[in-house]
Parts: sequence; structure tokens; C-alpha cells
Amino acid sequence: DAKTTQPNSMESNEEEPVHLPCNHSTISGTDYIHWYRQLPSQGPEYVIHGLTSNVNNRMASLAIAEDRKSSTLILHRATLRDAAVYYCILRDSFNFGNEKLTFGTGTRLTIIP
Amino acid sequence: GAVVSQHPSRVICKSGTSVKIECRSLDFQATTMFWYRQFPKQSLMLMATSNEGSKATYEQGVEKDKFLINHASLTLSTLTVTSAHPEDSSFYICSASSGTNTGELFFGEGSRLTVL
Repeated sequence: DAKTTQPNSMESNEEEPVHLPCNHSTISGTDYIHWYRQLPSQGPEYVIHGLTSNVNNRMASLAIAEDRKSSTLILHRATLRDAAVYYCILRDSFNFGNEKLTFGTGTRLTIIP
Repeated sequence: GAVVSQHPSRVICKSGTSVKIECRSLDFQATTMFWYRQFPKQSLMLMATSNEGSKATYEQGVEKDKFLINHASLTLSTLTVTSAHPEDSSFYICSASSGTNTGELFFGEGSRLTVL
């Protein structure tokens, strides 16, 4: 499986935008870029995913580099409830529905009040 | 949206006993369910893939006789930790897939097992 690299931790002030980077230099043409986050003592929850174009939803935005070797998850206005571990994961689109997810170490985001 | 529910959320047991954790998909049929284990400050590690009506596929290093997985229906998978020991204390998380190309996998809330 193609691997992803994320910073171990990041801090951000409350109500400020947060940019969480992810490197995936060995990404293949059929890999989608997924982001999940895990709040303390909870299971992961889906945040956003994309293939080539930038994506927006109610939770976040995903900016994908033109060469697809990196991406950035953007939280436009961080709140204390956004404090979590954020995982960047690649998923092969050919087996989308059943493929297991391989979690890396993720980025632990701390929000400073 | 779709919901996956785990029960119990917390369980404490004595060493040597067995513990069963349930994972239910509440509003969709899950053709495949995944079981993960997570130790403190670590990432999720996949234990096994469970397909309805067939035997689970275990990841390397996971003892299938110790971690019994049953996926008897399209909405329920169970993980039984047999003869639990303190080193089995962990956060167990399931996820479920409906098999369609929706892009999102749904996770349970997790079950924290403490073995005394």
C-alpha cells in the first residue's frame, strides 16, 4: 500500500484556520486521498476525501497538489472540538467498498483556547 | 447518516475469562466489517476482516483462536476475546462497509477492555 507521512503533532489557536499537511509521494493513479479524525476515546470519523480536484464539505476543505504527491486538510475556523488525531489515508478506488483502512500515526492537533 | 454501534463501550473482566464485543450496523447492511485494536497513544491496528457468512481473515500475528470473530448476519459482527489476559487490555474498534462506492467507512464508538 502507498504510504503517507504526516507531522506527529500540531497546535493551533481557537478560531484560527488550521492546515494539516500530508505527503504521499508514492500515490498511484487510482488512489483516493481520505481523511479521518479520531476524537479522544472514540472511533474514527470520516472527514473528507478526494482524487484530484480540491473538495469542500461542511467539516473541512481538502487541497490536493497538482502532482497529487501531497495534500492539505484545511479546517477554516478551529474550535476546541476539533482537537483530535487526524489521519491521512490512501484508498484504492477499485475496491472502494470493502477495502480495509491502513492507519498511520496521524497528526495530533491541539487547539489552544 | 449511517451508524455503527458497539457494545459494551467499557468492560472490565478478570484474567482468564472471555469477553464478547458486539458491532452492529444500524441502518445499512454491512457485507464486510473490520476489527481494529488500539493501544494508548498508538494508531489503530487492523486485526481481522469479517465477511457475512464466511470465516474471518486475520492479519499476520493475530491469533484466530484467541480473537473469535463471528459475522452471522448483515448487521452484526461479534469479537470474543477468549481467556483474556492483562496484555489484551486495549481499545477495540469495529468499522463496517456496505460494499458500495460511497467513499466513507463507518466506525463504531469503540470498546475499552480492561483485564485485571
